[in-house]
Parts: sequence; C-alpha cells; structure tokens
Amino acid sequence: DADVTQTPRNRITKTGKRIMLECSQTKGHDRMYWYRQDPGLGLRLIYYSFDVKDINKGEISDGYSVSRQAQAKFSLSLESAIPNQTALYFCATSDLGRENTGELFFGEGSRLTVL
Amino acid sequence: DAKTTQPNSMESNEEEPVHLPCNHSTISGTDYIHWYRQLPSQGPEYVIHGLTSNVNNRMASLAIAEDRKSSTLILHRATLRDAAVYYCDPGGSQGNLIFGKGTKLSVKP
Repeated sequence: DADVTQTPRNRITKTGKRIMLECSQTKGHDRMYWYRQDPGLGLRLIYYSFDVKDINKGEISDGYSVSRQAQAKFSLSLESAIPNQTALYFCATSDLGRENTGELFFGEGSRLTVL
Repeated sequence: DAKTTQPNSMESNEEEPVHLPCNHSTISGTDYIHWYRQLPSQGPEYVIHGLTSNVNNRMASLAIAEDRKSSTLILHRATLRDAAVYYCDPGGSQGNLIFGKGTKLSVKP
C-alpha cells in the first residue's frame, strides 16, 4: 500500500459544486501539503500544515480550504468549483527530525475536471 | 523563500551523462537542497539531497557549489526511464516548499 494515499484519483464535476479531495498517510509525518499542477506551470503550493492545529496558506489558496482532521489526514475542499480549478492535485508529507531533512513524499495525484 | 532557476528542457542520448543545473542564489544557509523528479503520469519522487558537500546515491550525484547558490544533479548514464521533469528545491527546512517549473529531460535512444 502507498504511504500517501489520495482519494478520489479522478473526479469530474460541474461548476458550483462542492468538492473534497482527501489525503491520508501512514508515514507518521507531522507536515502535510497540498499542491496543484497545471501544464507548463510546475507545482504550486495551495496550503500546508505543520501539525493538527497549524494551517498555513500557500501561494495560491484563494478558492480553497483545508481541514487537518488528524495527524494522518489532510483534506482539500473547493466550496464552489470553477473551471479554472481543473488541474492535477498532489498531497505530500514531510518530517523534520534529527535524521530527516524535510524531503517530501507525494501521493499519486487526484485529477479534477470542472465542467 | 529561496527561488530557483532551471532550464525549461534538456536533451540527452541514452548511456551518456547528464548535468541538470539549478540556480538558487537566495538559499538560506541552513537549508538542504533537495531534488525530485516526476515521471509521466506519476507524482514527484525524491532523488537526492545535500547541504554543502557533494553527495552520491544509487540514483544520481549532487554537486553543490561552494557558495551554495547553485547545484547540479548528475545522472551518470541516462536511460530511457530517466525521462522526466526534474525539480530542485532549496527550501527544504522552511516548510513553505515552492517548486519551480523544473527541467524536462528527454532521453534519446
């Protein structure tokens, strides 16, 4: 089983609908992230969380919200989806401990299409 | 946050070495430099990291400039499976990790 699991892997929805993308991890990491990937634009950070009570906005947080339900779970919500939110979304985790340097571990991605 | 500059694309022949450069002139003195790659239709995966000294692992080598303002990922013998987008990330300890657009590596047989 994957260490970082994203659901759903693919989703097609209509403009105005509420969408939730879920991420769970078994790595025991405190830090979790949501990224968005668009063709030709690389990865852009939406939100990140250093622990259950810490949520931070990233580069492109407008139109998105997140919930850190537990150390292992970090959900991304689109309250009212719009077509320009069509993209590939990645969840990632990292840890900073004595033997860790903060490298990211990514899920397999969730492809969202908003019609 | 440290920003990165990487070439948009590079091309290599199979079995030849590839040097992928990254400029990160605003890197913090305590931040590790990580490299990731993203194979087609997959999420990014970790390749290698370093702080000041050059590093080797089974996938690649990382050469870090003495002033740490640039680094180079070295694939010693490119294979077709190395065709991917390579990202350098010089902000490894800051949490607010922002990737650049990366370098798309094409490998010709």
